Amino acid sequence: KQEVTQIPAALSVPEGENLVLNCSFTDSAIYNLQWFRQDPGKGLTSLLLIQSSQREQTSGRLNASLDKSSGRSTLYIAASQPGDSATYLCAPCCEPMDSSYKLIFGSGTRLLVRP
Amino acid sequence: NAGVTQTPKFRVLKTGQSMTLLCAQDMNHEYMYWYRQDPGMGLRLIHYSVGEGTTAKGEVPDGYNVSRLKKQNFLLGLESAAPSQTSVYFCASTGQPYNEQFFGPGTRLTVL
Repeated sequence: KQEVTQIPAALSVPEGENLVLNCSFTDSAIYNLQWFRQDPGKGLTSLLLIQSSQREQTSGRLNASLDKSSGRSTLYIAASQPGDSATYLCAPCCEPMDSSYKLIFGSGTRLLVRP
Repeated sequence: NAGVTQTPKFRVLKTGQSMTLLCAQDMNHEYMYWYRQDPGMGLRLIHYSVGEGTTAKGEVPDGYNVSRLKKQNFLLGLESAAPSQTSVYFCASTGQPYNEQFFGPGTRLTVL
């Protein structure tokens, strides 16, 4: 069964810092991996989708990398801003032989960017 | 495009009451999902649908029923609510397997 771990669980940084959020998964047979942000009391906003054949995906100040063979993904945030404060979730898809194609979620990294 | 919408946003029920949560998407997506999010347990799949008229069980289906009579709508029902069903419920949809999944804003349910 796929298990997803996100380290650290919480992170506090001053504004302007570059930072890396880590995601590891136990089963490398994934089709893709999606990164989300979740603001308190809100839904999940999709940030990046990285396919299993890709190594990196970029959107603005965000860059996600994927190393499928080692079961790792990282989300790099450049020049962090207070508006980046949120919980970040990674979710690989999918488990082999699972016809639902559901996402498997980690518990997230709670990020606070201090002004 | 409204994307994925959920109704209601908040609800408080008493044990034994029933209710239906509605999810609607305007992206013509085939796949729709109901997840629940609980502290320390992440998001877990309750039920899903791979197209109009189809439904299937996910990881934690007990106590819930679903229906997908129209392609754009996916309903989640609680026939007899229990305190263990206190949670935040999210609906999601995608057009194709392996594609990006889009989530609704969530329904916060409290069962007393």
